[in-house]
Amino acid sequence: AQSVAQPEDQVNVAEGNPLTVKCTYSVSGNPYLFWYVQYPNRGLQFLLKYITGDNLVKGSYGFEAEFNKSQTSFHLKKPSALVSDSALYFCAVMRRDSWGKLQFGAGTQVVVTP
Amino acid sequence: EPEVTQTPSHQVTQMGQEVILRCVPISNHLYFYWYRQILGQKVEFLVSFYNNEISEKSEIFDDQFSVERPDGSNFTLKIRSTKLEDSAMYFCASKSTLSYNEQFFGPGTRLTVL
Repeated sequence: AQSVAQPEDQVNVAEGNPLTVKCTYSVSGNPYLFWYVQYPNRGLQFLLKYITGDNLVKGSYGFEAEFNKSQTSFHLKKPSALVSDSALYFCAVMRRDSWGKLQFGAGTQVVVTP
Repeated sequence: EPEVTQTPSHQVTQMGQEVILRCVPISNHLYFYWYRQILGQKVEFLVSFYNNEISEKSEIFDDQFSVERPDGSNFTLKIRSTKLEDSAMYFCASKSTLSYNEQFFGPGTRLTVL
């Protein structure tokens, strides 16, 4: 079965420390990979995507993500977390042969403490 | 910055009633989507829509659901006879033509079925 896994329900980090949110996937055909963030009572906001090429992609708000094909992972990172980064983060994959259907992970709640 | 809008923000209905959720996608986008998120669960794909027809749908999207683009701007999701388990946050999304482009999500409609 095809799946997207975010193994941590919650990640706690102190402000200024590096932040990592993990994502692994089991989807055939070299899918496109995305990260979205959801703030309370808001919709999903796009952060970044991996299509092809360089394994390290940079996105909005200082976030970046590292694609690892052998491990089928796409971990989200930020070198120095801010309190305002506290939110729910979703990894999503899209098969290249689809019409854009996004398959989401369960989400990881990030809590950044001052 | 253009954005996807959704109305209403919150809809309360009685079981068995019909509801229509409305979305205005970004104006030059051609692909449209509905997703739902049951409280505490992951975001689930419902349907994709392109060129005035459904291009892909999930198992959730049964005969009780329908989508329509009645004019050049609105995109609607209709649930003919709501069930308690239809209670969820419903997100509309749209994207432009390129297959790997990110989807832009609306703020969601919270549907409560009593």
